[in-house]
Amino acid sequence: DGGITQSPKYLFRKEGQNVTLSCEQNLNHDAMYWYRQDPGQGLRLIYYSQIVNDFQKGDIAEGYSVSREKKESFPLTVTSAQKNPTAFYLCASRWDTIFGGYTFGSGTRLTVV
Amino acid sequence: GDSVTQMEGPVTLSEEAFLTINCTYTATGYPSLFWYVQYPGEGLQLLLKATKADDKGSNKGFEATYRKETTSFHLEKGSVQVSDSAVYFCALSDEGAQKLVFGQGTRLTINP
Repeated sequence: DGGITQSPKYLFRKEGQNVTLSCEQNLNHDAMYWYRQDPGQGLRLIYYSQIVNDFQKGDIAEGYSVSREKKESFPLTVTSAQKNPTAFYLCASRWDTIFGGYTFGSGTRLTVV
Repeated sequence: GDSVTQMEGPVTLSEEAFLTINCTYTATGYPSLFWYVQYPGEGLQLLLKATKADDKGSNKGFEATYRKETTSFHLEKGSVQVSDSAVYFCALSDEGAQKLVFGQGTRLTINP
């Protein structure tokens, strides 16, 4: 079945360490997105990529980095510069290029201790 | 910039009650509007959408009508079930479908 795979589901890291969250899709979608979810704040856009080897900052890109070397993969690195990294991270890809329908992965919960 | 505002939660109802979750938006141009649902520990699933004014999206007994005059997209269901307990997000897609902008989410709990 086609879909988006995020791994791992739970991730624990020590403060000051960089960590990379994986996002892989086999839907052949061009555009991919990373969102951060905090309780009571909805989803906020971190980075997005419309095509391979190109990506744009979203609303809260500081402290994060991404790469898009392959169409199927859009990993997110949470760096030590991110002041409050503990959150639920969701990856998505866009299947409707006209009206904007998205498919989401099941998320990675990152806890920094 | 574009924004979405949802009614604050949490919302608690009894089974078979009528549900309304309010959603209003601010956007330039002609956005598409969506409702997504999130079950505990999971990602988001598309519940319904509407792409132009006066369109009605519907799915699984849920409905929402795109009202341009009131910039609203309220979610309704005539008779809720315990299995409808989840967090509901209203969202808009900007013209060109570059990005999705979300409301803050409304947690719904249905008691038997």
